[in-house]
Amino acid sequence: EDKVVQSPLSLVVHEGDTVTLNCSYEVTNFRSLLWYKQEKKAPTFLFMLTSSGIEKKSGRLSSILDKKELFSILNITATQTGDSAVYLCAVRYWTQFYFGTGTSLTVIP
Amino acid sequence: GAVVSQHPSRVICKSGTSVKIECRSLDFQATTMFWYRQFPKQSLMLMATSNEGSKATYEQGVEKDKFLINHASLTLSTLTVTSAHPEDSSFYICSVGGTANEKLFFGSGTQLSVL
Repeated sequence: EDKVVQSPLSLVVHEGDTVTLNCSYEVTNFRSLLWYKQEKKAPTFLFMLTSSGIEKKSGRLSSILDKKELFSILNITATQTGDSAVYLCAVRYWTQFYFGTGTSLTVIP
Repeated sequence: GAVVSQHPSRVICKSGTSVKIECRSLDFQATTMFWYRQFPKQSLMLMATSNEGSKATYEQGVEKDKFLINHASLTLSTLTVTSAHPEDSSFYICSVGGTANEKLFFGSGTQLSVL
């Protein structure tokens, strides 16, 4: 059975800290891995990863994929209170997207 | 990216009634839309894939007679929760796959509360 697992489930850090969120997957017919941020309702897109070893970067956020070991990490440096959210990892199999368990990040001032 | 509109944003209904949720792709012709369900503090669970002009594909464990999906046009998919019960209370959210189905664009979701 295909599945997507994220760790940790929750995380509380202080502003300025750096965090690393993990996403591992077991899947046949892997197409891509995506990261989303969900603050209140609709998740917002962060990154899409298809190739191993190529880092995607946007401001203080970055992500990388390891297709051999079947995992991805999302890094957030110099965290701010506005980074508090649930971070979701999704894996695309054929045309469907399956989401991981999510990591709830809380950044305290 | 695709702009997705979902209505209503919140609905409260009595047990036994049916509730219809609409998902519209405003700027993109979507042959495929996805319906997810999310319980508090849990992740998004794929319920079904809505296919324009044909039957929806349901995930294992999702009752197709309970959750009726209609995708009659390239811009509209509807999810009807039939004979709703309190255990159906949840956050329902639709999404569109975008160009080549590369990434998902989400509606704003519908919070369903069944009394």
